[in-house]
Amino acid sequence: DAMVIQNPRYQVTQFGKPVTLSCSQTLNHNVMYWYQQKSSQAPKLLFHYYDKDFNNEADTPDNFQSRRPNTSFCFLDIRSPGLGDAAMYLCATSRDKVEQFFGPGTRLTVL
Amino acid sequence: AQSVTQPDIHITVSEGASLELRCNYSYGATPYLFWYVQSPGQGLQLLLKYFSGDTLVQGIKGFEAEFKRSQSSFNLRKPSVHWSDAAEYFCAVLGGSQGNLIFGKGTKLSVKP
Repeated sequence: DAMVIQNPRYQVTQFGKPVTLSCSQTLNHNVMYWYQQKSSQAPKLLFHYYDKDFNNEADTPDNFQSRRPNTSFCFLDIRSPGLGDAAMYLCATSRDKVEQFFGPGTRLTVL
Repeated sequence: AQSVTQPDIHITVSEGASLELRCNYSYGATPYLFWYVQSPGQGLQLLLKYFSGDTLVQGIKGFEAEFKRSQSSFNLRKPSVHWSDAAEYFCAVLGGSQGNLIFGKGTKLSVKP
């Protein structure tokens, strides 16, 4: 089945220690998104790639970076995680920004 | 600016009862509207979508939604709720300066046995 895969499902890191979250897709979609979702809140868009073009949301902290080496993969890098960065991170994909398909998420814990 | 309002933060219904979750949107043109469901610790699953055409939209898991332009609403309904429907439900519209999803704050559904 075509799908969006996120690894790992659970990630524990230490305060200030860089961490990378991974997303891959078999849908061959040209747009990939990263969202941050805190408890009992709606997902908050951090940035997205439209093909190779990177689009950062205005209020996304510089601590968050992303890489998309090819169509199938996209990474979220948190350079110096703080306690406030503990959250669920959701990856999503779409064909030309219409319907978005979400992965299962990575739950990040910062100690 | 485009926005989505889900007036109910938390709803509890009895199993077998009918359900309606409210969603109001603010958007100048014809909206693309979505309902997503999220079980605890999981990603979002698309229940249904409205782009154009018939204003009553059928989705997965027995859900439907009706687009009412005059009321700027896109309410989600289910005639008979099952315990497995307990989850968080998000309404969203495609909009913003870059054509991304704008989510409501979500409605948490609890189901009583």
